[in-house]
Amino acid sequence: EVQLVESGGGLVKPGGSLKLACAASGFTFKNAWMSWVRQAPGKGLEWVGRIKSYADGETTDYAGPVRDRFFISRTDSRNTVYLQMGSLKTEDTAVYYCVTNTIEAFFEFWGQGSLVTVSS
Amino acid sequence: QSALTQPASVSGSPGQSVTISCIGTNSDIGTYDLVSWYQQHPGKAPKLLISEVTKRPSGVSGRFSGSKSGNTASLTISGLQPEDEADYYCCSYAGGRTFVVFGGGTKLTVL
Repeated sequence: EVQLVESGGGLVKPGGSLKLACAASGFTFKNAWMSWVRQAPGKGLEWVGRIKSYADGETTDYAGPVRDRFFISRTDSRNTVYLQMGSLKTEDTAVYYCVTNTIEAFFEFWGQGSLVTVSS
Repeated sequence: QSALTQPASVSGSPGQSVTISCIGTNSDIGTYDLVSWYQQHPGKAPKLLISEVTKRPSGVSGRFSGSKSGNTASLTISGLQPEDEADYYCCSYAGGRTFVVFGGGTKLTVL
């Protein structure tokens, strides 16, 4: 059974930083592309970014609103993917989901989400 | 404003069929056969229903089907059941520096 468990969410002040982690199990993590998708309270889904597998160069890509502020990394030995968020803005307040990214725009398995609140 | 346009709400009675549209552009739906659909119940994580326009993952009911024509993708739910009441999101690959776009979501009410 595939499991994705996010951790690290919480309350942070505008301009601050926060790092989310997602522990994966139930599939061959090292071969998987992984994405982060967020959902602001009462709003729709928004793709945040993606990291490809080691075999595909661990290439990262990001959505415009977070580019140069958010960074995704992975540690295959720990079956974990990370989302480092910096220069946080109130509009970054959302539930952040860790998802498997089988091919482009194909998000097969989702974590339960981690709430990040950016507020003074 | 979302990159893909979906109706805010649709409704139907049990047993009926409903279709949710997802309007994109030549830069996303019109170019790539990489459209997916997700179902989200309140307080839950989204669930994949359809990938690559028409493919249904194992375990997803055959009552859900996807299609595409030009810049518009559609999700059809046949034989509506009360548990189908949820929010539905479309998603498409958009290439370039945009990569992935979602629709704004459609709330399905089963009357």
